[in-house]
Amino acid sequence: DVKVTQSSRYLVKRTGEKVFLECVQDMDHENMFWYRQDPGLGLRLIYFSYDVKMKEKGDIPEGYSVSREKKERFSLILESASTNQTSMYLCASTPGAMGSTEAFFGQGTRLTVV
Amino acid sequence: AQTVTQSQPEMSVQEAETVTLSCTYDTSESDYYLFWYKQPPSRQMILVIRQEAYKQQNATENRFSVNFQKAAKSFSLKISDSQLGDAAMYFCAYRLSANQAGTALIFGKGTTLSVSS
Repeated sequence: DVKVTQSSRYLVKRTGEKVFLECVQDMDHENMFWYRQDPGLGLRLIYFSYDVKMKEKGDIPEGYSVSREKKERFSLILESASTNQTSMYLCASTPGAMGSTEAFFGQGTRLTVV
Repeated sequence: AQTVTQSQPEMSVQEAETVTLSCTYDTSESDYYLFWYKQPPSRQMILVIRQEAYKQQNATENRFSVNFQKAAKSFSLKISDSQLGDAAMYFCAYRLSANQAGTALIFGKGTTLSVSS
């Protein structure tokens, strides 16, 4: 059974803190993605990675960075958390030769910045 | 840039009835994939159905079927014999064809479907 696991389901952080959201997949997928989900805005792409140590900006990268030191793990970093980063964060992965293969998602992390 | 539009923020249906969720997209590409994902209150994104743009035949998965109109760039989801468990947020998504590193899904804003007994 394929699996994408996000380290926390709920997280509360203070303004200005450095926040790490972790995502691990066990499917040997090359591609990993971080999305942000807000009511009325759908899912918006923050960053993605197509290989170890490779990363590309998505549509809303400001205030975020990412790290991919190992193939199975993709971390999203909020350098200095702000209240406008309160949101649901979803991690996803796909194989390198995708065909019509869908993306597999983690269960989401609901982050609240106070 | 590719965009996906879901014009119905909310829809409702009675059990056993049929409902159609709308989705349109904008692209200049000819080779791509379209998906419908379901997100129940558990937040886990679940694939409902997929469609390859090169296939003319509409995809079906049990009670779920799509009406894919490539020229009109329309991709609607029909749910037949609706069940209480179908209540969820539904997202339409687009992706370019494979062999492009890191090609990401582009999502619409979602449609919340409620099902009443």
